[in-house]
Amino acid sequence: DGGITQSPKYLFRKEGQNVTLSCEQNLNHDAMYWYRQDPGQGLRLIYYSQIVNDFQKGDIAEGYSVSREKKESFPLTVTSAQKNPTAFYLCASTPGGTDTQYFGPGTRLTVL
Amino acid sequence: AQKVTQAQTEISVVEKEDVTLDCVYETRDTTYYLFWYKQPPSGELVFLIRRNSFDEQNEISGRYSWNFQKSTSSFNFTITASQVVDSAVYFCVDSNYQLIWGAGTKLIIKP
Repeated sequence: DGGITQSPKYLFRKEGQNVTLSCEQNLNHDAMYWYRQDPGQGLRLIYYSQIVNDFQKGDIAEGYSVSREKKESFPLTVTSAQKNPTAFYLCASTPGGTDTQYFGPGTRLTVL
Repeated sequence: AQKVTQAQTEISVVEKEDVTLDCVYETRDTTYYLFWYKQPPSGELVFLIRRNSFDEQNEISGRYSWNFQKSTSSFNFTITASQVVDSAVYFCVDSNYQLIWGAGTKLIIKP
């Protein structure tokens, strides 16, 4: 089945450790996105990539890094520089531009 | 900066009642897109509808209907004969190359 996968569903890390969240899509979509959602809030854009080997910062990129070496993969690294990393992280993809974004199931990160 | 306002933080109704979720957007562009997404307790975001700024026709899909009015910059969402499974957080979203998310309305349908 076509879709977006994120793993793991729940992730626990100690403070000061970097952690990488995976996002894979087999929809052949060009653009991919990472969002952060805090309790009771809407989504905030962290990074996005419209083509392979290219990505742009979103509204809250500080403390995060990404790579886009393959069309189907867009991993997000939460670095120790991110002050409050505990949140729900959602990955999305779209064929491009203003097309509808489709979301993965999300990863709930808890930093202890 | 553009923003999307969902003034209703939480709505609670009894099953089978109709309920309308309000959305007001502030886009300044000629061409834009509006979306509604549903986020059930599982957390995954489910796409419901996408409308472009040139199409003001109201839309009905089963128990769901949307009222798009450019004159008031509103894109309201109505659920008819609500069911417990409709309980979720609903987000209204504006788009011009990036998505601008409202804060969401938590809808609780009581049996």
